[in-house]
Amino acid sequence: DQQVKQNSPSLSVQEGRISILNCDYTNSMFDYFLWYKKYPAEGPTFLISISSIKDKNEDGRFTVFLNKSAKHLSLHIVPSQPGDSAVYFCAASGSNFGNEKLTFGTGTRLTIIP
Amino acid sequence: DAGVTQSPTHLIKTRGQQVTLRCSPKSGHDTVSWYQQALGQGPQFIFQYYEEEERQRGNFPDRFSGHQFPNYSSELNVNALLLGDSALYLCASTQDRAGWGGYTFGSGTRLTVV
Repeated sequence: DQQVKQNSPSLSVQEGRISILNCDYTNSMFDYFLWYKKYPAEGPTFLISISSIKDKNEDGRFTVFLNKSAKHLSLHIVPSQPGDSAVYFCAASGSNFGNEKLTFGTGTRLTIIP
Repeated sequence: DAGVTQSPTHLIKTRGQQVTLRCSPKSGHDTVSWYQQALGQGPQFIFQYYEEEERQRGNFPDRFSGHQFPNYSSELNVNALLLGDSALYLCASTQDRAGWGGYTFGSGTRLTVV
């Protein structure tokens, strides 16, 4: 039972353009959503998060949007840079702030074309 | 400041054998979680340790067990290895109730069962 889904295994975007990565979830109990970035031979690194009481969170070039009614979130990267090429994981958790397990999607491999 | 350190980086074991993986958390962190990432999948939560006790557990059989030591380091033990246990095992540490974004992942141990 895949509670967090990333339906696009891969995405290619021209450098300078916007990258949009999508994520859907099924569990209504999820309260926090996070995006992680993973380079080969490294562990995932935290990118940005959003609480279910918000619909948008920005951090520099990265913005996460949350649509609770649709159980959908997306990560926007503007402008996309070659160093953004990596696998991006969407993750979700309950509300026990920082202590709960993370439920991950299967990841989207983003390739930025110079 | 060293992040999360995992050892060994790679390991090859025979079906039926037992394996121990090790994790040293980031300095200042007291909570350790273990995740299994199979090929093409997202990380799946195995269990979390805090104050030397298993605080939460994911949907993994009893063949998977762990331990946390007084210095907060942790071990993951897997008995009676199956071919399906081949995966990247990730350790993540945080400070209890540090909040979202507080998880730091190690680079993982790649376990191959033959």
